[in-house]
Amino acid sequence: RKEVEQDPGPFNVPEGATVAFNCTYSNSASQSFFWYRQDCRKEPKLLMSVYSSGNEDGRFTAQLNRASQYISLLIRDSKLSDSATYLCVVYRGNQFYFGTGTSLTVIP
Amino acid sequence: EPEVTQTPSHQVTQMGQEVILRCVPISNHLYFYWYRQILGQKVEFLVSFYNNEISEKSEIFDDQFSVERPDGSNFTLKIRSTKLEDSAMYFCATKIGGDYEQYFGPGTRLTVT
Repeated sequence: RKEVEQDPGPFNVPEGATVAFNCTYSNSASQSFFWYRQDCRKEPKLLMSVYSSGNEDGRFTAQLNRASQYISLLIRDSKLSDSATYLCVVYRGNQFYFGTGTSLTVIP
Repeated sequence: EPEVTQTPSHQVTQMGQEVILRCVPISNHLYFYWYRQILGQKVEFLVSFYNNEISEKSEIFDDQFSVERPDGSNFTLKIRSTKLEDSAMYFCATKIGGDYEQYFGPGTRLTVT
Protein backbone atom coordinates (compact mmCIF):
# COMPACT_ATOMS: atom_id res chain seq x y z
CA ARG A 1 0.00 0.00 0.00
CA LYS A 2 1.33 3.46 -0.89
CA GLU A 3 2.40 5.73 1.97
CA VAL A 4 0.39 8.64 0.60
CA GLU A 5 -2.45 8.46 -1.89
CA GLN A 6 -4.07 11.30 -3.76
CA ASP A 7 -6.55 11.51 -6.59
CA PRO A 8 -4.38 12.74 -9.48
CA GLY A 9 -7.26 14.60 -11.12
CA PRO A 10 -7.15 16.64 -13.24
CA PHE A 11 -9.58 19.05 -11.65
CA ASN A 12 -10.77 21.72 -14.07
CA VAL A 13 -12.84 24.38 -12.33
CA PRO A 14 -14.11 27.85 -13.25
CA GLU A 15 -12.76 30.95 -11.56
CA GLY A 16 -14.52 31.57 -8.28
CA ALA A 17 -15.34 27.92 -7.65
CA THR A 18 -14.58 26.03 -4.46
CA VAL A 19 -12.51 22.88 -4.88
CA ALA A 20 -11.50 20.21 -2.39
CA PHE A 21 -8.59 17.78 -2.52
CA ASN A 22 -8.25 14.68 -0.40
CA CYS A 23 -5.31 12.59 0.64
CA THR A 24 -4.92 9.43 2.73
CA TYR A 25 -1.83 8.07 4.43
CA SER A 26 -1.12 4.51 5.42
CA ASN A 27 1.05 4.74 8.53
CA SER A 28 -0.62 5.82 11.75
CA ALA A 29 2.78 6.77 13.22
CA SER A 30 3.07 9.67 10.78
CA GLN A 31 4.04 12.79 12.67
CA SER A 32 3.27 15.86 10.62
CA PHE A 33 1.48 16.80 7.46
CA PHE A 34 1.79 19.42 4.77
CA TRP A 35 0.35 20.65 1.51
CA TYR A 36 2.83 21.82 -1.09
CA ARG A 37 2.15 23.45 -4.42
CA GLN A 38 4.22 22.66 -7.49
CA ASP A 39 4.12 24.62 -10.72
CA CYS A 40 5.26 22.95 -13.91
CA ARG A 41 9.01 22.22 -13.87
CA LYS A 42 9.47 24.16 -10.62
CA GLU A 43 10.27 23.14 -7.08
CA PRO A 44 7.54 22.29 -4.56
CA LYS A 45 6.64 25.28 -2.40
CA LEU A 46 5.06 24.99 1.02
CA LEU A 47 1.42 25.99 0.98
CA MET A 48 0.55 25.16 4.55
CA SER A 49 1.12 22.77 7.41
CA VAL A 50 -1.90 20.74 8.49
CA TYR A 51 -3.05 20.40 12.09
CA SER A 52 -5.71 18.29 13.76
CA SER A 53 -7.56 21.44 14.81
CA GLY A 54 -7.73 22.54 11.19
CA ASN A 55 -6.08 25.65 9.91
CA GLU A 56 -6.92 28.39 7.49
CA ASP A 57 -4.79 30.77 5.45
CA GLY A 58 -6.89 33.18 3.44
CA ARG A 59 -8.81 31.16 0.85
CA PHE A 60 -7.14 27.91 1.84
CA THR A 61 -8.31 25.57 4.61
CA ALA A 62 -6.57 22.34 5.60
CA GLN A 63 -7.91 19.59 7.83
CA LEU A 64 -6.38 16.48 9.35
CA ASN A 65 -8.32 13.50 10.63
CA ARG A 66 -5.86 11.22 12.42
CA ALA A 67 -8.47 8.55 13.16
CA SER A 68 -9.26 8.17 9.46
CA GLN A 69 -5.70 8.98 8.33
CA TYR A 70 -7.12 11.57 5.99
CA ILE A 71 -5.98 15.06 5.01
CA SER A 72 -7.92 17.61 3.01
CA LEU A 73 -7.35 20.96 1.34
CA LEU A 74 -10.16 23.33 0.44
CA ILE A 75 -9.62 26.25 -1.91
CA ARG A 76 -12.37 28.87 -2.00
CA ASP A 77 -12.90 31.50 -4.68
CA SER A 78 -10.40 29.88 -7.05
CA LYS A 79 -8.09 32.19 -8.99
CA LEU A 80 -6.33 31.54 -12.29
CA SER A 81 -3.06 31.67 -10.35
CA ASP A 82 -4.15 28.67 -8.26
CA SER A 83 -3.56 26.42 -11.30
CA ALA A 84 -0.81 24.01 -10.21
CA THR A 85 -0.25 20.53 -8.83
CA TYR A 86 -1.00 20.17 -5.12
CA LEU A 87 1.17 17.69 -3.24
CA CYS A 88 0.15 16.00 -0.02
CA VAL A 89 3.25 15.34 2.10
CA VAL A 90 3.57 13.27 5.25
CA TYR A 91 6.56 13.25 7.61
CA ARG A 92 7.65 10.24 9.61
CA GLY A 93 11.02 9.06 10.88
CA ASN A 94 13.06 11.88 9.30
CA GLN A 95 11.60 11.12 5.91
CA PHE A 96 9.01 13.01 3.92
CA TYR A 97 6.61 10.97 1.81
CA PHE A 98 4.98 12.58 -1.19
CA GLY A 99 1.72 11.85 -2.91
CA THR A 100 1.62 11.85 -6.68
CA GLY A 101 -0.09 15.25 -6.63
CA THR A 102 -3.47 16.51 -7.73
CA SER A 103 -3.56 18.69 -10.83
CA LEU A 104 -5.77 21.79 -10.74
CA THR A 105 -6.59 24.04 -13.67
CA VAL A 106 -8.71 27.11 -13.02
CA ILE A 107 -10.52 28.20 -16.16
CA PRO A 108 -11.49 31.82 -16.91
CA GLU B 1 13.79 35.75 2.85
CA PRO B 2 16.53 33.09 3.08
CA GLU B 3 16.35 30.41 0.42
CA VAL B 4 17.98 27.19 -0.66
CA THR B 5 20.13 27.55 -3.76
CA GLN B 6 21.29 24.85 -6.19
CA THR B 7 23.90 24.73 -8.92
CA PRO B 8 23.98 24.11 -11.78
CA SER B 9 20.44 24.74 -12.92
CA HIS B 10 20.92 22.35 -15.85
CA GLN B 11 23.60 19.71 -16.35
CA VAL B 12 24.02 17.64 -19.49
CA THR B 13 26.34 14.67 -19.23
CA GLN B 14 27.20 11.52 -21.12
CA MET B 15 26.30 8.09 -19.79
CA GLY B 16 29.01 6.75 -17.51
CA GLN B 17 30.28 10.17 -16.43
CA GLU B 18 30.32 11.41 -12.86
CA VAL B 19 28.28 14.45 -11.86
CA ILE B 20 28.20 16.52 -8.70
CA LEU B 21 25.12 18.53 -7.85
CA ARG B 22 25.50 21.30 -5.31
CA CYS B 23 23.14 22.82 -2.77
CA VAL B 24 23.58 25.68 -0.33
CA PRO B 25 21.11 25.19 2.53
CA ILE B 26 19.45 27.93 4.54
CA SER B 27 22.06 28.91 7.10
CA ASN B 28 20.45 27.76 10.37
CA HIS B 29 18.96 24.58 8.96
CA LEU B 30 20.29 21.30 10.27
CA TYR B 31 18.57 18.63 8.17
CA PHE B 32 19.23 18.17 4.48
CA TYR B 33 17.52 16.08 1.84
CA TRP B 34 17.89 15.12 -1.80
CA TYR B 35 14.93 14.19 -3.96
CA ARG B 36 14.52 13.39 -7.59
CA GLN B 37 11.55 13.87 -9.87
CA ILE B 38 11.45 12.18 -13.24
CA LEU B 39 9.42 14.23 -15.72
CA GLY B 40 5.71 13.70 -15.16
CA GLN B 41 6.21 11.56 -12.07
CA LYS B 42 6.10 12.15 -8.35
CA VAL B 43 8.81 13.53 -6.10
CA GLU B 44 10.92 10.63 -4.80
CA PHE B 45 13.01 10.69 -1.64
CA LEU B 46 16.68 9.79 -2.08
CA VAL B 47 18.48 10.55 1.17
CA SER B 48 18.40 12.56 4.38
CA PHE B 49 21.50 13.91 6.10
CA TYR B 50 21.97 15.20 9.63
CA ASN B 51 25.00 15.82 11.82
CA ASN B 52 27.34 14.97 8.96
CA GLU B 53 25.94 11.57 8.28
CA ILE B 54 23.18 9.87 6.35
CA SER B 55 20.12 9.28 8.53
CA GLU B 56 17.79 7.66 5.97
CA LYS B 57 18.11 6.56 2.39
CA SER B 58 15.75 5.01 -0.12
CA GLU B 59 16.33 1.98 -2.32
CA ILE B 60 16.99 4.37 -5.20
CA PHE B 61 20.08 5.63 -3.36
CA ASP B 62 22.39 2.78 -4.32
CA ASP B 63 26.18 2.60 -4.42
CA GLN B 64 26.46 4.98 -7.35
CA PHE B 65 25.14 7.83 -5.18
CA SER B 66 26.92 9.62 -2.36
CA VAL B 67 26.39 12.79 -0.36
CA GLU B 68 28.65 14.99 1.67
CA ARG B 69 28.93 18.37 3.26
CA PRO B 70 32.58 19.08 2.51
CA ASP B 71 32.96 22.61 3.84
CA GLY B 72 30.09 23.16 6.26
CA SER B 73 28.05 25.11 3.73
CA ASN B 74 27.64 23.18 0.47
CA PHE B 75 25.70 19.93 0.49
CA THR B 76 26.52 17.80 -2.53
CA LEU B 77 25.05 14.80 -4.32
CA LYS B 78 27.46 12.79 -6.43
CA ILE B 79 26.38 10.29 -9.03
CA ARG B 80 29.42 8.19 -9.91
CA SER B 81 28.53 6.64 -13.24
CA THR B 82 25.39 8.15 -14.69
CA LYS B 83 22.78 6.11 -16.52
CA LEU B 84 20.11 7.27 -18.96
CA GLU B 85 17.47 6.65 -16.29
CA ASP B 86 19.16 9.14 -13.94
CA SER B 87 17.76 11.94 -16.12
CA ALA B 88 15.48 13.90 -13.80
CA MET B 89 15.11 17.04 -11.71
CA TYR B 90 17.10 16.79 -8.51
CA PHE B 91 15.86 18.88 -5.63
CA CYS B 92 17.68 19.71 -2.46
CA ALA B 93 15.55 20.53 0.59
CA THR B 94 16.44 21.66 4.08
CA LYS B 95 14.66 22.12 7.37
CA ILE B 96 15.51 23.62 10.72
CA GLY B 97 14.64 20.49 12.70
CA GLY B 98 11.98 18.37 14.33
CA ASP B 99 8.60 18.21 12.65
CA TYR B 100 9.11 21.49 10.83
CA GLU B 101 8.42 21.91 7.15
CA GLN B 102 11.22 21.64 4.61
CA TYR B 103 12.15 24.20 1.98
CA PHE B 104 13.18 23.26 -1.51
CA GLY B 105 15.82 24.64 -3.79
CA PRO B 106 14.97 25.39 -7.43
CA GLY B 107 16.40 22.07 -8.61
CA THR B 108 19.02 20.87 -11.06
CA ARG B 109 17.79 19.36 -14.30
CA LEU B 110 20.11 16.47 -15.13
CA THR B 111 20.08 15.15 -18.68
CA VAL B 112 22.08 12.01 -19.39
CA THR B 113 22.71 11.31 -23.08
